[in-house]
Amino acid sequence: RKEVEQDPGPFNVPEGATVAFNCTYSNSASQSFFWYRQDCRKEPKLLMSVYSSGNEDGRFTAQLNRASQYISLLIRDSKLSDSATYLCVVASGGSNYKLTFGKGTLLTVNP
Amino acid sequence: NAGVTQTPKFRVLKTGQSMTLLCAQDMNHEYMYWYRQDPGMGLRLIHYSVGEGTTAKGEVPDGYNVSRLKKQNFLLGLESAAPSQTSVYFCASSYWGQGTTEAFFGQGTRLTVV
Repeated sequence: RKEVEQDPGPFNVPEGATVAFNCTYSNSASQSFFWYRQDCRKEPKLLMSVYSSGNEDGRFTAQLNRASQYISLLIRDSKLSDSATYLCVVASGGSNYKLTFGKGTLLTVNP
Repeated sequence: NAGVTQTPKFRVLKTGQSMTLLCAQDMNHEYMYWYRQDPGMGLRLIHYSVGEGTTAKGEVPDGYNVSRLKKQNFLLGLESAAPSQTSVYFCASSYWGQGTTEAFFGQGTRLTVV
C-alpha cells in the first residue's frame, strides 16, 4: 500500500459545483496533514492544514479521520480559478520530519 | 522577499555529464528537501536535511548526492546523469517540523538528460 493515496481523477465540474477529494494514508504514526495546490508548471503551495476537529476556510473544508486514516477536502461553489492539481500531504518521522505527497488530483472547473 | 530560490531554472545535460542544483532559502528554516516530479508519479522525495551538516535519504535517492554545509543552502548533485533523471526538481524548506508546519517551495528546475 502506498504511503499516501488520492483519487486519481481528473475531475471536470461546472462552475458552482461542489467537489470532494479523498485521500488515505498508511502510516498510523503520521503527525500532520495538509492540502497543497499546484497550478500547471508551478510549484506547490499550501492550501490549508487539516485538523482532527475539521477546519474551514471560506469555500474550502478539510476533514481528518485518524481512526480510518482518511483525509478529505471539499470545495463548495467552485470557481474557474480553482482549476489546479490538489495534493494530499502527510508529515511524519518525528525528529526526521518529512513530507510525503500523494500523486495529486487534477480539477478543471468549466464555465 | 526571496523565499526559496533554485538555480538553474532549466538545464539540458548529455548522458554521463554531472551537475549541481542549488537551493537557497532566506527564512532560517531547519528542514530542507529535494523532490522530483514526473507525470503520473507525483512528487517523490529524493533526499532531505533536518539541519546544517545533516542529510538523509528519501524515497528515490539513487543517482543523487546532497550536501548541507550551510543552513541556508541545500545542494543536489548528479554525478553521471541518465535519461531517467529527466524530471522537474523542486526544493522546499520548512521550520522545525512539528505541528502544522508549512513547506515553501522553489519554482523548480526543469532538467532534460539526452
